[in-house]
Amino acid sequence: NAGVTQTPKFQVLKTGQSMTLQCAQDMNHEYMSWYRQDPGMGLRLIHYSVGAGITDQGEVPNGYNVSRSTTEDFPLRLLSAAPSQTSVYFCASSYSSGGASGETQYFGPGTRLLVL
Amino acid sequence: GQQVMQIPQYQHVQEGEDFTTYCNSSTTLSNIQWYKQRPGGHPVFLIQLVKSGEVKKQKRLTFQFGEAKKNSSLHITATQTTDVGTYFCAGPNSGGSNYKLTFGKGTLLTVNP
Repeated sequence: NAGVTQTPKFQVLKTGQSMTLQCAQDMNHEYMSWYRQDPGMGLRLIHYSVGAGITDQGEVPNGYNVSRSTTEDFPLRLLSAAPSQTSVYFCASSYSSGGASGETQYFGPGTRLLVL
Repeated sequence: GQQVMQIPQYQHVQEGEDFTTYCNSSTTLSNIQWYKQRPGGHPVFLIQLVKSGEVKKQKRLTFQFGEAKKNSSLHITATQTTDVGTYFCAGPNSGGSNYKLTFGKGTLLTVNP
């Protein structure tokens, strides 16, 4: 299994440009999430999905859209990039094991985005 | 909203010294997870604690979950250069589902050989 894959690894955008960060997992996990990581801020949840066709907002959703048409894929769209979206983006997946001893998250390698 | 606080933000140690990072939640947690992120890498799951007062060990790493299930700690005995990285704790948002986690800001550990 490849686990969680993300493309591209690096990207430079100009303000106002749009782009899609790709995320795919081959573990048949129900849950997928997008986080952004900024220096000193830890990991902040952008959007998440509990299954195909179901998405919801996390802590910092503004400026980002997501969709989940298949179990495997969970792309993150930046509609009009801004310098404040310069960050490292991580996609993660997990599965439901039920009960309090629940799901651990498997992270992809990340996409480093610079918006000029 | 729920907050997860971690201290210290940075810790520099000499190889062989011990290291501890502390995690405190503003709310009671159903469980807490710990992740490690090597420089330039992605977070990797280390362990999950579920029970009040639980203590788990992984070789030189000892993880504790507080009695009130609002705090946790990670202790590394006799650090090695391979321990370098940022250690994060994370707890589920209100509702208890782990697919929606709140992460602490992490503790960056550097080790001088």
